[in-house]
Amino acid sequence: EAGVTQFPSHSVIEKGQTVTLRCDPISGHDNLYWYRRVMGKEIKFLLHFVKESKQDESGMPNNRFLAERTGGTYSTLKVQPAELEDSGVYFCASSQVLSSEAFFGQGTRLTVV
Amino acid sequence: AQSVSQHNHHVILSEAASLELGCNYSYGGTVNLFWYVQYPGQHLQLLLKYFSGDPLVKGIKGFEAEFIKSKFSFNLRKPSVQWSDTAEYFCATSRSNDYKLSFGAGTTVTVRA
Repeated sequence: EAGVTQFPSHSVIEKGQTVTLRCDPISGHDNLYWYRRVMGKEIKFLLHFVKESKQDESGMPNNRFLAERTGGTYSTLKVQPAELEDSGVYFCASSQVLSSEAFFGQGTRLTVV
Repeated sequence: AQSVSQHNHHVILSEAASLELGCNYSYGGTVNLFWYVQYPGQHLQLLLKYFSGDPLVKGIKGFEAEFIKSKFSFNLRKPSVQWSDTAEYFCATSRSNDYKLSFGAGTTVTVRA
């Protein structure tokens, strides 16, 4: 069974540009989460989808971040326009309904220069 | 809001030494507790989890953790480490009615052969 996959694995963009990160959860997992780890800090929750609905987006830093999960399958996280402080590793995780055991992807390392 | 504190940023030890990583959390209600590990170049993997019951939890690869409610602690232990245990270890919590995770800052463990 395929795990959680994230694309790209690395992205380097200039300040002001747009970047879209993608996450493919494990098939059948209704819960999908985005997390972010800024250099040297803890991994922080960004938001939680249940199927295509945003269940909790309390961790989204500001309105430059837009997450979608059309059709309840894969999800995208767009940063527009990117700022230097957006640099970090963005993790996606998924879990089954009523399960708190989340499976993580390898992360996307975003560097804004 | 929950917070998770990991006592050590970086631990260096020799093979066959014993390992104990400290973790304390702040939330006073019912929590789920987790230890995740990230080996170099790999995704975050669940080592073990505690929801209820026996406070001594056995995980994969010979790891165990003990939940001490009075101390708000969930320390991770392994009696004899191997070089392959070199990784970053994360303690995490979630509330019993919420699946989003709050992570500690992580502890990098380096095992010297």
